Amino acid sequence: AQKVTQAQTEISVVEKEDVTLDCVYETRDTTYYLFWYKQPPSGELVFLIRRNSFDEQNEISGRYSWNFQKSTSSFNFTITASQVVDSAVYFCALSEAPPIGANSKLTFGKGITLSVRP
Amino acid sequence: GAVVSQHPSWVICKSGTSVKIECRSLDFQATTMFWYRQFPKQSLMLMATSNEGSKATYEQGVEKDKFLINHASLTLSTLTVTSAHPEDSSFYICSAKEIGRPNYGYTFGSGTRLTVV
Repeated sequence: AQKVTQAQTEISVVEKEDVTLDCVYETRDTTYYLFWYKQPPSGELVFLIRRNSFDEQNEISGRYSWNFQKSTSSFNFTITASQVVDSAVYFCALSEAPPIGANSKLTFGKGITLSVRP
Repeated sequence: GAVVSQHPSWVICKSGTSVKIECRSLDFQATTMFWYRQFPKQSLMLMATSNEGSKATYEQGVEKDKFLINHASLTLSTLTVTSAHPEDSSFYICSAKEIGRPNYGYTFGSGTRLTVV
């Protein structure tokens, strides 16, 4: 069974601070996909990143960066120089590679509520 | 990019009535639609998985007679909450998986906030 743990529930920072959101996952598969989504107060899910299990390269996109470490089963997300608009709930999710013809669902962590104060 | 249109975005209904939520993939064909439910300040919980032209697969604990899912075409899936009660009040969100993109390309609708009074 797959599981995603986001131990932090709420984080509050002051604007321009850096913040790291932790994600730890469990899976028996060797092939899997990890995701981060942002959910602003309006409710829609905004896709941030997808990473497959064979690609351990860290990624940077503007103020966002991700650190994937298979050795610790972690996929952490860092926001540099946070802004008020970053305030949202952030979900980490996992999808296992299904057998051919089958479906693969996303398993979400509980989410981390990030509040960025001016 | 891929877009999933979900309607309505919010709905208030009386207890005992039924509510239909639609999800349409606008510029791609969705082999699979996933329906999630999210209670306030909680995570998204998968309710069911539907494939075009076949019966939906429900997660354990989800009443299939209460939450009717229809995936009649490759671009439309509907969730009907039958005989809604206040405890069904929640945020419902769909996700479509595109043909040819088996493990990524999960496109989410904007969600429907259901309030049963």
